[in-house]
Amino acid sequence: EAQVTQNPRYLITVTGKKLTVTCSQNMNHEYMSWYRQDPGLGLRQIYYSMNVEVTDKGDVPEGYKVSRKEKRNFPLILESPSPNQTSLYFCASSLIGPKNIQYFGAGTRLSVL
Amino acid sequence: AQSVTQLDSHVSVSEGTPVLLRCNYSSSYSPSLFWYVQHPNKGLQLLLKYTSAATLVKGINGFEAEFKKSETSFHLTKPSAHMSDAAEYFCVVSESGTYKYIFGTGTRLKVLA
Repeated sequence: EAQVTQNPRYLITVTGKKLTVTCSQNMNHEYMSWYRQDPGLGLRQIYYSMNVEVTDKGDVPEGYKVSRKEKRNFPLILESPSPNQTSLYFCASSLIGPKNIQYFGAGTRLSVL
Repeated sequence: AQSVTQLDSHVSVSEGTPVLLRCNYSSSYSPSLFWYVQHPNKGLQLLLKYTSAATLVKGINGFEAEFKKSETSFHLTKPSAHMSDAAEYFCVVSESGTYKYIFGTGTRLKVLA
């Protein structure tokens, strides 16, 4: 089954404790992206990647890191989480070109205390 | 710079009546436009996509949207609402050739029995 898998689905952590949210897709998509969703703000793009070792900032990259060492994986790293990073996070992937329909993971709800 | 405005944060309709969710966009170049739906506690699913082919785009579950360049609008419609349409809907713009996506703040659709 074609899917984008995020782990964990729920995470509670404390300020300053490094964490990683994993994202994996099995559709051989070149493009992957991370978003955060906050009430009243919709989804905002954090980082995206066009291919292995190619990443670019979205609109809200501060406080986040990503890496793309393999085509299928695109982890989101919070080196020193802060309470303002409490949010619902979505990973997405797509082909590049006319068929750039993004497929979304189920989301990761992060609380930073 | 690209942007997208969803004109209504909440819309309520009765079951069986038409649905209209409004979206205006701003884009310097030829945009790609999307509508996504998010059911409660779920990820996002693509409803439809416009990419400079036909201006009237048909999507899944009876939804359609019309691209009007002169009005910079991409409103989502459905002739007859069903209870299962109750969800949050996001209008998304991306400039052709870029892979940065700008989401609107969302419209929550309520369907009354």
